[in-house]
Amino acid sequence: AQKITQTQPGMFVQEKEAVTLDCTYDTSDPSYGLFWYKQPSSGEMIFLIYQGSYDQQNATEGRYSLNFQKARKSANLVISASQLGDSAMYFCAMREDLTGANSKLTFGKGITLSVRP
Amino acid sequence: EAGVVQSPRYKIIEKKQPVAFWCNPISGHNTLYWYRQNLGQGPELLIRYENEEAVDDSQLPKDRFSAERLKGVDSTLKIQPAELGDSAVYLCASSLVALAGVREQFFGPGTRLTVL
Repeated sequence: AQKITQTQPGMFVQEKEAVTLDCTYDTSDPSYGLFWYKQPSSGEMIFLIYQGSYDQQNATEGRYSLNFQKARKSANLVISASQLGDSAMYFCAMREDLTGANSKLTFGKGITLSVRP
Repeated sequence: EAGVVQSPRYKIIEKKQPVAFWCNPISGHNTLYWYRQNLGQGPELLIRYENEEAVDDSQLPKDRFSAERLKGVDSTLKIQPAELGDSAVYLCASSLVALAGVREQFFGPGTRLTVL
């Protein structure tokens, strides 16, 4: 079974509107972390936001927030007030065994977001 | 502060030729990762170093791929000989060991390899 699932086709959003990018995950480890990365056409993976499995509140970083629903195993990224520069690929990733030495990130296939002016 | 540096940015070779990629991590980061990203996919880990030691190379195709991280700083990833299926973007990332376990990874721009 895939550990990270991103099934949305290419997403489009109007500038200044909010958009939600979906991510579901699969793990039996009680200690894990969820990450979102942005990859513009330049190729570099840019860290956006992190949510730990034991965090009580949803993570927020500026215009980015993570809608973490642990029982449903979903960690959707919400981008508010979209900007043209938000057009990129977005990857959800997970690291299991946070208390151990393993620091392997498992990525989903990504979602393409296009912001329309 | 300089980010993760990779070179070359682009490389085109013919199959069966050797190729090497270089990575300079962020200063002070003891953990270094090499990922391969196929077209339309997310990155997949090839190898992870903690200082000079390769602590996870389970996904590295050892018959043709090799890596080294001399002195626990720069790293080189080599493919010999290259095959058509090796065409991909090769990403290097680094992180600092953090007690919280987050270990945010910082990525370089990648090397886009095309094997003809």
